[in-house]
Amino acid sequence: DGGITQSPKYLFRKEGQNVTLSCEQNLNHDAMYWYRQDPGQGLRLIYYSQIVNDFQKGDIAEGYSVSREKKESFPLTVTSAQKNPTAFYLCASSASNSGGSRDTQYFGPGTRLTVL
Amino acid sequence: QKEVEQNSGPLSVPEGAIASLNCTYSDRGSQSFFWYRQYSGKSPELIMFIYSNGDKEDGRFTAQLNKASQYVSLLIRDSQPSDSATYLCAVNSLSSGSARQLTFGSGTQLTVLP
Repeated sequence: DGGITQSPKYLFRKEGQNVTLSCEQNLNHDAMYWYRQDPGQGLRLIYYSQIVNDFQKGDIAEGYSVSREKKESFPLTVTSAQKNPTAFYLCASSASNSGGSRDTQYFGPGTRLTVL
Repeated sequence: QKEVEQNSGPLSVPEGAIASLNCTYSDRGSQSFFWYRQYSGKSPELIMFIYSNGDKEDGRFTAQLNKASQYVSLLIRDSQPSDSATYLCAVNSLSSGSARQLTFGSGTQLTVLP
C-alpha cells in the first residue's frame, strides 16, 4: 500500500519536554510538509522540504525543528520553546513543489499532541 | 499576507439538495486551487483540484474557478448525509523563489440533513 504514515496517533507531553513526531511516505514524493491545525481553524504551515537535506520555515516555525535525511522521512520535533503546542499535527507530501498537478498534497492520518 | 476566506458555516442542506461552498483568495498570483474534505478528528482528503477558469466536474462534485474575481467554489449535487464534514479550500501560490505554499481557509462545516 502506498501512503503516508504518522506516529504516534496520540502524544502527551509534559512541560519542558521535547517530543518528536514521525512522518514516513512510500509514494516516492520529493516534497514533504508539516502543518498544525487548531480547533475550528485551517491548517498552518510549520516547515516544508522540497528535497533531501533541505528544508524551509513556514509561517509558524518558532519552537519547532525538522530534518530530512531520507526522502521517505520528515520528522518534526516540538521543542520546549513552543509555548502552546497542543494541536493536531498533519504531515503531507507531494510529488513536487514546482507547479502543476504534481503539487497536489496528500495527508497522513495526523498526530494529536496534548500538553499535560 | 496571503489570505483565503471561507464562510465558517455551519451550512445545512436537506438530503438530495445542492450544497454550494465558496472561497475567495487575496493573491492574484495564485495558480492552483484545491478542495479537501475533513471529517471530524480525521485528516483532510483531496476532493478535487482546478487550475483553469471555468468548471471542472467529477461525479457529484463541480469546482468553479473565476480568477478575475478571485473566487473558487465547490458544488455538491445530490447531497448525502455522508457528505457532512468540513470542507477546506486551499490555494497554491508562489511564495519565494521557486517554492510554493498551500494557504488554507478555515473551512466550511456542512451538515446534510436526512
